[in-house]
Amino acid sequence: DVKVTQSSRYLVKRTGEKVFLECVQDMDHENMFWYRQDPGLGLRLIYFSYDVKMKEKGDIPEGYSVSREKKERFSLILESASTNQTSMYLCASSLQGSYNSPLHFGNGTRLTVT
Amino acid sequence: GDSVTQMEGPVTLSEEAFLTINCTYTATGYPSLFWYVQYPGEGLQLLLKATKADDKGSNKGFEATYRKETTSFHLEKGSVQVSDSAVYFCALSGNRGSQGNLIFGKGTKLSVKP
Repeated sequence: DVKVTQSSRYLVKRTGEKVFLECVQDMDHENMFWYRQDPGLGLRLIYFSYDVKMKEKGDIPEGYSVSREKKERFSLILESASTNQTSMYLCASSLQGSYNSPLHFGNGTRLTVT
Repeated sequence: GDSVTQMEGPVTLSEEAFLTINCTYTATGYPSLFWYVQYPGEGLQLLLKATKADDKGSNKGFEATYRKETTSFHLEKGSVQVSDSAVYFCALSGNRGSQGNLIFGKGTKLSVKP
């Protein structure tokens, strides 16, 4: 089974802190994604990556950056956390080259910025 | 742009009741369609998918048929169980194509009472 592991289930950070959310997948998937999930808004794509050192902006990239130095790891960075970034963050991965390839999700990191 | 609209919840049913969760979409081209399920405290997992018109996806007693003429992909189950309580997301493969991005609906929360 594909396993996508997010390093923290819960995080509490202060406004202005730099925050790192880590995600690792063990199935050699090329594509990796970061979404945030908010009540009433569903899932919104922040960034995705289809190869090492490659990244593409999603629908809501403002205030975030990403890093993909190794194929299995995709990090989401909040350069200066703000209260409106309090949310559930979901990492996902998938195989490249298939229009129908499903996404495999981690269990999420619930981030609270105070 | 591409989008997914699904019925708002929450939906509350008694055990063994019939379930329908409506999903309609707007898309250019010929997207694949998916239903994902999120159990409490977990990430999303693929429930079923359909890749072309008139395909029926099925899994765990759930079914959905890809209807191009009505741009719909409604989720159905003949007899729900308490263990089906979860949030259900309809999704389509977005215009980022082979990059594997999905566009999600806002989710429908289902509660099944014994």
